[in-house]
Amino acid sequence: AQSVTQLGSHVSVSEGALVLLRCNYSSSVPPYLFWYVQYPNQGLQLLLKYTTGATLVKGINGFEAEFKKSETSFHLTKPSAHMSDAAEYFCAVRGNNNDMRFGAGTRLTVKP
Amino acid sequence: EPEVTQTPSHQVTQMGQEVILRCVPISNHLYFYWYRQILGQKVEFLVSFYNNEISEKSEIFDDQFSVERPDGSNFTLKIRSTKLEDSAMYFCASSEARRGLKDEQYFGPGTRLTVT
Repeated sequence: AQSVTQLGSHVSVSEGALVLLRCNYSSSVPPYLFWYVQYPNQGLQLLLKYTTGATLVKGINGFEAEFKKSETSFHLTKPSAHMSDAAEYFCAVRGNNNDMRFGAGTRLTVKP
Repeated sequence: EPEVTQTPSHQVTQMGQEVILRCVPISNHLYFYWYRQILGQKVEFLVSFYNNEISEKSEIFDDQFSVERPDGSNFTLKIRSTKLEDSAMYFCASSEARRGLKDEQYFGPGTRLTVT
């Protein structure tokens, strides 16, 4: 069965600093992996996804993630945080029933 | 940009009452989903729907839940007799395809259901 684990329920960075949000997956088949962002009072917005091919995936708002099979990881990064990046971030893996299986989420705080 | 919409944004109901949560998926999408997130817990899959029938459902989606596409635009989730533990944020999602290039699931803003 497919699942993801997000390390760190809360990450705080200074504006301009590197953002690193960690996600590890478990899957018996090649995984389809996703990162979503949720701003307050809004739905889940897709940031990026990995299916096959290039292991470094670029998404919206300057975010990217790298699929590392040897580490079963799919960490989300952004070189320089903006205040507007403050939100909840969810890693997810596609399940066998086409359902999305989400991690517990990481709340990103950006300090001025 | 097209988006999934959900109404109401917040629903308060008494235990034992029926509730219907409404969603309008993106117009050219064919696959529809419901998820829920109990406060402090993960977002969990409930059900997927295609061609006017349930495609997949989770263990959570028991007999008290039902889904329907009553017309060409709405997609509803009905809870027949609500329990306290049904209190959660319910998300609707839709996708153009099940697998392949256009399989991204687009989520609505959610309906917060509070059962008292």
